Amino acid sequence: GAGVSQSPSNKVTEKGKDVELRCDPISGHTALYWYRQSLGQGLEFLIYFQGNSAPDKSGLPSDRFSAERTGGSVSTLTIQRTQQEDSAVYLCASSLVAEETQYFGPGTRLLVL
Amino acid sequence: AQTVTQSQPEMSVQEAETVTLSCTYDTSESDYYLFWYKQPPSRQMILVIRQEAYKQQNATENRFSVNFQKAAKSFSLKISDSQLGDAAMYFCAYRRIGNKLVFGAGTILRVKS
Repeated sequence: GAGVSQSPSNKVTEKGKDVELRCDPISGHTALYWYRQSLGQGLEFLIYFQGNSAPDKSGLPSDRFSAERTGGSVSTLTIQRTQQEDSAVYLCASSLVAEETQYFGPGTRLLVL
Repeated sequence: AQTVTQSQPEMSVQEAETVTLSCTYDTSESDYYLFWYKQPPSRQMILVIRQEAYKQQNATENRFSVNFQKAAKSFSLKISDSQLGDAAMYFCAYRRIGNKLVFGAGTILRVKS
């Protein structure tokens, strides 16, 4: 079956612009995660959605970062007023239930000039 | 807070030989999961193997096996009969029940022909 998909694959933006990154989880997966992979910080957790529960936003680095998950499926990660330190690969993962293995998408590489 | 340590930034192995990647973690939990993920240059994170902490038996998946030492909080990955396609970055990850993944810094594995 189809895996986790993310779009765009690559995004180049100018400092100060807003960007939206999209994640389509595996159909039926109730849990969805966003992670960030950067050279200096490795792989970091950003935010976690589980069903209709309030999301765990404990990993978001600043209030410029937000995410939503519509209809329990597609998720959008928004970064406002991008900064050069936001340059990274943003990975999305989903799992069947919160306890199950997470399956990752191919990531979005964001470059802020 | 949980931490995951991979002490080998880079490892090399000759094709067809065996290599072991090290991972230690720190947690006060008794129930959790441990994972090894592989990330080739395509940046797609691929699950290699998973271990439930309550299981004493070490997980195996074809040429991949783990040595899980719960008391020592050690979780090493053994790759037998190494192949060129095994070359990638390998991440060890910890997950508390129903929670986010915590990753190690990764080990680059190079396979020599």
